[in-house]
Formats: sequence, C-alpha cells, structure tokens
Amino acid sequence: GESVGLHLPTLSVQEGDNSIINCAYSNSASDYFIWYKQESGKGPQFIIDIRSNMDKRQGQRVTVLLNKTVKHLSLQIAATQPGDSAVYFCAENTRSNSGYALNFGKGTSLLVTP
Amino acid sequence: DVKVTQSSRYLVKRTGEKVFLECVQDMDHENMFWYRQDPGLGLRLIYFSYDVKMKEKGDIPEGYSVSREKKERFSLILESASTNQTSMYLCASSATRWGTAEAFFGQGTRLTVV
Repeated sequence: GESVGLHLPTLSVQEGDNSIINCAYSNSASDYFIWYKQESGKGPQFIIDIRSNMDKRQGQRVTVLLNKTVKHLSLQIAATQPGDSAVYFCAENTRSNSGYALNFGKGTSLLVTP
Repeated sequence: DVKVTQSSRYLVKRTGEKVFLECVQDMDHENMFWYRQDPGLGLRLIYFSYDVKMKEKGDIPEGYSVSREKKERFSLILESASTNQTSMYLCASSATRWGTAEAFFGQGTRLTVV
C-alpha cells in the first residue's frame, strides 16, 4: 500500500539553530497532513496541520511546507530549544470506504544540544 | 481540552492470557483508534471505529480484536497474548468520520508479555 516516510531518522542541532524535518508521502489523493511531537513517556501531541489547498502554514516558531508536485512535507522549527528534543511524526489523512484514519511515518528523533 | 485516557500506563501479562486495554475519551468524538508503536516502525494502525458497535481493520489487525459498546469507550483485546505483542499501545480519538481533523492521543500503555 501507499505509505508515509521520513528522509532522516535522527537529527542533531545546536540550541538556537533552525531545524528542518522532512517527510515524503506517496498518496497523491491525500488532502490533510499533521505533524506530531512525542516526548519520552508521552503520547503524540499535535503541532501543526496543513490542508492540500495550501503550501505553507505558520504557527508559533513552526512552519509546515507542502510541495504537492514532489509529494513532500517539511516541518521547520525556528530557534530550536532544548524542550524541542523529541520524536517528530508526520501523518497523512488516508481515506477508506468507511472513513478517515491517520497513517504515520516512522518518525525523526530531534536532539537539541546546548 | 480533549482528554483521552488509557486505563493503564504499564502492564505485564503472561503468554496466553487474555488482555484488555481500555480507552475513554470525553469529547463526544466519533472516531477512535488503536495504534501500536515499536522502535523504528513508527505508529501502526491496528483497528479503528467510527461509531458504536462498528469497527474497521487497520494495517495490523492480526491477533487483536476491539469492542465499542459506548461512544466514549474503545477497548483493544488480545485474545491470547504473545511475546511479539510486547509494545507501546496508543489510543486516539478524532471528531469526525469524514472530515479532516487531528487525532488526540492518550498517554500510552506499555505492555510486556512474558
């Protein structure tokens, strides 16, 4: 079946630098994408989402970019802080005959060093 | 705030036992999901439900069943636990069956089968 995947399994950045986490998807019919952050011992938490009729969406210190031509999604974190250290997942809204479910990538571990 | 509560944070069960993982959400969401999370594999969808008494298989339903007798509660059942079902189990809910909506996650249940 079609899948969501990530380019880099781990990313190490210095505090204060910008971080970019990438994600590739293969289902051209996908119309909604979400980035989740998962800290150790916790469930995933919503960061930001984007619909397929947009190519960019900004939140507080985070920006999601969507390139439908190459089926690529990225999460940019500005001025990365130690509290940003976590595993980040992209998720793709996949439609079945019965409804929608989120299909997750394998995750990227972000480590912020002082 | 939406709250998704899983009944246990940690469980240890013996091979062959019948195991029940319980999940409750308090926001009247239509959709509920069970995922398992393993290192390097990300989150994989086991089952989801879009209404009471309804269920849909996800990507890895083998060895599992589910029950949704009330809208707010979604149970995952391991009929005969095996060691390869040792994993982190995550429950989630989302508002609408057909819309584009984020999923809210519980804190996870770490199940060890010995």
